[in-house]
Amino acid sequence: QVQLVESGGGVVQPGRSLRLSCAASGFTFSSYGMHWVRQAPGKGLEWVAVISYDETNKIYADSVKGRFTISRDNSKNTLYLQMSSLRAEDTAVYYCVKDYVHIGSFFDYWGQGTLVTVSS
Amino acid sequence: DIRMTQSPSSLSASVGDRVTITCRASQGISDFLAWFQQKPGEAPKSLIYAASSLQSGVPSRFSGRGSGTDFTLTISSLQPEDFATYYCQQYSGYPLTFGQGTKLEIK
Repeated sequence: QVQLVESGGGVVQPGRSLRLSCAASGFTFSSYGMHWVRQAPGKGLEWVAVISYDETNKIYADSVKGRFTISRDNSKNTLYLQMSSLRAEDTAVYYCVKDYVHIGSFFDYWGQGTLVTVSS
Repeated sequence: DIRMTQSPSSLSASVGDRVTITCRASQGISDFLAWFQQKPGEAPKSLIYAASSLQSGVPSRFSGRGSGTDFTLTISSLQPEDFATYYCQQYSGYPLTFGQGTKLEIK
């Protein structure tokens, strides 16, 4: 069965960096696009970034463009989100989400999420 | 960006009721519309894609309709496990955008 397990969350000071990971299993990771979606405490869902199956296409939300970098290692079945210049408004649960196809389709599976808290 | 607007924002209903949630897109998105269910403290769960297709394992009491700008999610007979928050999302173009959510509560 498909499993997506995020890690790397925690408390970080404003302006610092953090890298999230998502370990995937139960499907051929290298064949599918992957997304990051976040949810601030008590708020709705916000799409953050997507990466194509072969890493050739990456698209970001304006709110994180230039600060966050999505990447993947298909040999390790792992998705990453490198977050820099973190702000208080980046505080959220970050979900790793599988695309139905290579990129640009709908979501089918979600991870359980990892909490990032940006605070001094 | 495509703005997604859900109504109502909250809804009280009883077990066995039929409920409908509406989602409107600020521009036409064909049928590139998905619905998700989220229970407190849990990750969202994918329910419907392409406006009306059920994800694997989703009970048939859930149904979706619509095309263009107006969409609905209907639960035909509410079960206790259906009380949750529901989100619509468009995947017609980037950035992907979600509705603000509809919280379905027990009356």
